[in-house]
Amino acid sequence: GAVVSQHPSWVICKSGTSVKIECRSLDFQATTMFWYRQFPKQSLMLMATSNEGSKATYEQGVEKDKFLINHASLTLSTLTVTSAHPEDSSFYICSARDPAQNYEQYFGPGTRLTVT
Amino acid sequence: SQQGEEDPQALSIQEGENATMNCSYKTSINNLQWYRQNSGRGLVHLILIRSNEREKHSGRLRVTLDTSKKSSSLLITASRAADTASYFCATAFYGNNRLAFGKGNQVVVIP
Repeated sequence: GAVVSQHPSWVICKSGTSVKIECRSLDFQATTMFWYRQFPKQSLMLMATSNEGSKATYEQGVEKDKFLINHASLTLSTLTVTSAHPEDSSFYICSARDPAQNYEQYFGPGTRLTVT
Repeated sequence: SQQGEEDPQALSIQEGENATMNCSYKTSINNLQWYRQNSGRGLVHLILIRSNEREKHSGRLRVTLDTSKKSSSLLITASRAADTASYFCATAFYGNNRLAFGKGNQVVVIP
């Protein structure tokens, strides 16, 4: 099946700094990728839809200036958490939709972000 | 907004028993999907059922969909310790790539 990777798998940063998380589709081209956030023992909350070559679409309540998304190629989307605060500590998961596979999204392994 | 919703349950069963979990949603859907998540890991796609399907099987998994009640169930038969995980349903809507996830069910299978 299709594989999606994320890097890094975990990161610790200081409050006020920025962190970039990469999401890559390894064996398919993804025109659309999604970014989710998951707090402990909770479900996944969609943050934004990342479209190759165009601006991301953010869900209501998600600050686009804080969570910068760039989808510069068909295999890479990045999420940058700017001026991170402890409340941004979470598990960030991306997914990519394979155009050859109707409806199915393939999820990355997630990135654990801890802001101290 | 999140549509797929299931009562967040913590289910603890003995190995070999069946595990059943439910999911409800609010609006019309294109399809409903079930995912498994091991602790601190990404999601693994288990099964997809389309809105015009009522039941689907995949190995030890059986999924039902009742569009009149806007609900779905996932049955894992002959559970194994390796089935210990959180299970989420997610709904997909017509003309929309986005998935709405439910709250999840934590299943613990005791060897």
